[in-house]
Amino acid sequence: QSVLTQPPSVSAAPGQKVTISCSGSGSNIGKNYVSWHQQFPGTAPKLLIYENNKRPSGIPDRFSGSKSGTSATLDITGLQIGDEADYYCVTWDSSLTAGVFGGGTKLTVL
Amino acid sequence: QVQLVESGGGVVQPGTSLRLSCAASGFTFSNYNMHWVRQAPGKGLEWVSVISSDESNKYYADSVKGRFTLSRDNSMNILYLQMNSLRPEDTAMYYCATDRGDWGQGTLVTVAS
Repeated sequence: QSVLTQPPSVSAAPGQKVTISCSGSGSNIGKNYVSWHQQFPGTAPKLLIYENNKRPSGIPDRFSGSKSGTSATLDITGLQIGDEADYYCVTWDSSLTAGVFGGGTKLTVL
Repeated sequence: QVQLVESGGGVVQPGTSLRLSCAASGFTFSNYNMHWVRQAPGKGLEWVSVISSDESNKYYADSVKGRFTLSRDNSMNILYLQMNSLRPEDTAMYYCATDRGDWGQGTLVTVAS
């Protein structure tokens, strides 16, 4: 059971928008920055969003992040087949003094 | 460009030890906190441990506390994870990662008799 809660899977058609949620608590998301990571099967994760809503260079603006209270959201617009991957949110938990990941969300582009 | 190269993984028996290394290049290693994250086969990502840039602070997941020890050599730009009393449930791909979100390619640890 992960400290951060993500939907196990989401799906949408090419060109559409999908939202992946990440729910936590006051000791983690409520107090600290959230980052989002994309992982294709058999490969290492890759940073998509850091500090809640910032994109590293090279990440398309189709990917955006936001945070409100104890929840964070990753939006992906203009979906492409190549976006099919697992997506993870992660933050620091100040009470646990530990990093905490969401369980991951598998995105299917139908 | 940032490069993180993990090594030291392998197949070991339960109760034994292993030391993982992560060689860093392309950034000022001594300025960044460094993490280990693992992923069991077919499972999600699990945070393992973090060490501060100057090695003054270290934190561990409850699942490895007391068995794993994190250290770093800022003169050589290397991060280490000493893993003792290994258990079958420690079987995973182990990734090192920077505080800014860079990841290595991982090294596989298999604990089995």
